Amino acid sequence: QSALTQPASVSGSPGQSITISCTGTSSDVGGYDYVSWYQQHPGKAPKLMIYDVSKRPSGVSNRFSGSKSGNTASLTISGLQAEDEADYYCCSYAGGGTFVFGGGTKLTVL
Amino acid sequence: EVQLVESGGGLVQPGGSLRLSCAASGFTFSNYWMQWVRQVPGKGLVWVSRISSDGSDTTYADSVKGRFTISRDNAKNTLYLQMNSLRAEDTAVYYCVRGVNGLDPWGQGTLVTVSS
Repeated sequence: QSALTQPASVSGSPGQSITISCTGTSSDVGGYDYVSWYQQHPGKAPKLMIYDVSKRPSGVSNRFSGSKSGNTASLTISGLQAEDEADYYCCSYAGGGTFVFGGGTKLTVL
Repeated sequence: EVQLVESGGGLVQPGGSLRLSCAASGFTFSNYWMQWVRQVPGKGLVWVSRISSDGSDTTYADSVKGRFTISRDNAKNTLYLQMNSLRAEDTAVYYCVRGVNGLDPWGQGTLVTVSS
């Protein structure tokens, strides 16, 4: 149950697009289409942004999108806005009823 | 409004026990799988445990297996996490979360501090 690998930080200017990667193995990310992404603002509980690799819950902006290729999943945020500045975590099903999170990525909006 | 409210956190000595509770409201609790996720302040999220909607199926992270027990009372709309043989590394905010492949919503969390 090793954590998925995410970049520690990414940054972008308002209006730009950024992508956060989440790398696992064939036993988790690559083996199942059950990757989800969470946004967490300081002092707040996480919020679901993407589930099942690319599905967006109702109420989440369509500026957020998810994808997967092999053992790497990605979260893309387009039209970056100041309120997108937060920590982002990926999560994958890892078989046997277990799950694993990524280490988290701090997004800075310049 | 769908809501999850955790309680039961606090300061406990190493080797001690604590039971966390999570009161659910605003949805049919018995229809949903539930999970516990923890977070050391300032650090990342870590999956802890999962339970099926009827309580018959449970799974645990290796780090807590044999020490923690997840359970639920569907009549009381409440999720539990019994934590025994607590260690300093169990210190974290514990979140109660609804769902399986998409965790939503999250409770506000309850802080567990294991220290002498």
